[in-house]
Amino acid sequence: GQQLNQSPQSMFIQEGEDVSMNCTSSSIFNTWLWYKQDPGEGPVLLIALYKAGELTSNGRLTAQFGITRKDSFLNISASIPSDVGIYFCAGRDVGNQGGKLIFGQGTELSVKP
Amino acid sequence: NAGVMQNPRHLVRRRGQEARLRCSPMKGHSHVYWYRQLPEEGLKFMVYLQKENIIDESGMPKERFSAEFPKEGPSILRIQQVVRGDSAAYFCASSPRTGDLGEQYFGPGTRLTVT
Repeated sequence: GQQLNQSPQSMFIQEGEDVSMNCTSSSIFNTWLWYKQDPGEGPVLLIALYKAGELTSNGRLTAQFGITRKDSFLNISASIPSDVGIYFCAGRDVGNQGGKLIFGQGTELSVKP
Repeated sequence: NAGVMQNPRHLVRRRGQEARLRCSPMKGHSHVYWYRQLPEEGLKFMVYLQKENIIDESGMPKERFSAEFPKEGPSILRIQQVVRGDSAAYFCASSPRTGDLGEQYFGPGTRLTVT
């Protein structure tokens, strides 16, 4: 089935550093969502994007809906230890009538104090 | 406002048994989605339901898997005659709005282990 290409797969950073991750798709999307998943838990919604070019912030997190509608990125500024986890992008294809989300493979973030 | 609830959180079944996974959406949400997550992978869509209707089951395996969302009560994902390959985390999400727009909020998941 259709997949999103999410990169990088993993990141090891120092506390205080900024982080950037992105997702690309082969088709046009009308929605991009970014989630964070902690071990043993379900994904928690961080940011939702609905328009090409849209830039949205949630605290230290900023995400953008690419103008080609085939990509999105998530930035985390001034990382802290509790940012550790797996970050997933998810999108909705314009051809999809039912609303199902397609997920990336995840970016595992490790933060060294 | 309670979030999406799933039970059980952990379920162990022997090969050939049946597994029933339950999901109660957030209050006011009438759209339910089920996803499966294998270790080290992203979530894969299985089925989308509204009350008493299956809207999209394009991600459901053709055999042994079924889902329902009755007028009253939780949504149920049922796996008959489980096999080892069914071991995974199963997540339910709910949304207040119809498919095209609307965020999906996830429950904590049910981790199914088939022995």
